[in-house]
Amino acid sequence: GIQVEQSPPDLILQEGANSTLRCNFSDSVNNLQWFHQNPWGQLINLFYIPSGTKQNGRLSATTVATERYSLLYISSSQTTDSGVYFCSGNQFYFGTGTSLTVIP
Amino acid sequence: DAGVTQSPTHLIKTRGQQVTLRCSPKSGHDTVSWYQQALGQGPQFIFQYYEEEERQRGNFPDRFSGHQFPNYSSELNVNALLLGDSALYLCASSSDLSSGNTIYFGEGSWLTVV
Repeated sequence: GIQVEQSPPDLILQEGANSTLRCNFSDSVNNLQWFHQNPWGQLINLFYIPSGTKQNGRLSATTVATERYSLLYISSSQTTDSGVYFCSGNQFYFGTGTSLTVIP
Repeated sequence: DAGVTQSPTHLIKTRGQQVTLRCSPKSGHDTVSWYQQALGQGPQFIFQYYEEEERQRGNFPDRFSGHQFPNYSSELNVNALLLGDSALYLCASSSDLSSGNTIYFGEGSWLTVV
């Protein structure tokens, strides 16, 4: 199967700081998505981004499909951004996540 | 518009028992996928159902089985439970998978095997 590597595994930010999360795939994937998992376990869709760049408020994502990676940018982080961020490819392959803690 | 709903939210079972988890997809969705998420790990794909048939399967033993009903809802059954089956079980739905649409997750079912 396809291996999905996410970095960094853990991240602690001061409120207001910016961050970049990365997702690398061992092979080409379709249906690349980013999710945020809240403390109660629910996975919330952030972006469906098989290629190109999208922005939604303070979040944006870029996927370079030819190089098999995707980036998630979080600007002006807030405490509510805390949680675990996952990327997935083909809807079947998930990374081990980036655990983000934003401190006030 | 109801999202993906799962039941039960929490349950405790004894090793060797059997468990059934249920999922109703988001309105308009016809494809249901199940995932197992152990503590500190990413979701692991179990299988996917479309048109009442298992279309894809991950690397899980036959103790894990499923079903999809004509109304697109789905069940996940796990037989002969092991302690290692303790996890969050997530259901996700989507529409017309071949078009690459977004998948939506339910809140999950927390299973503890003792």
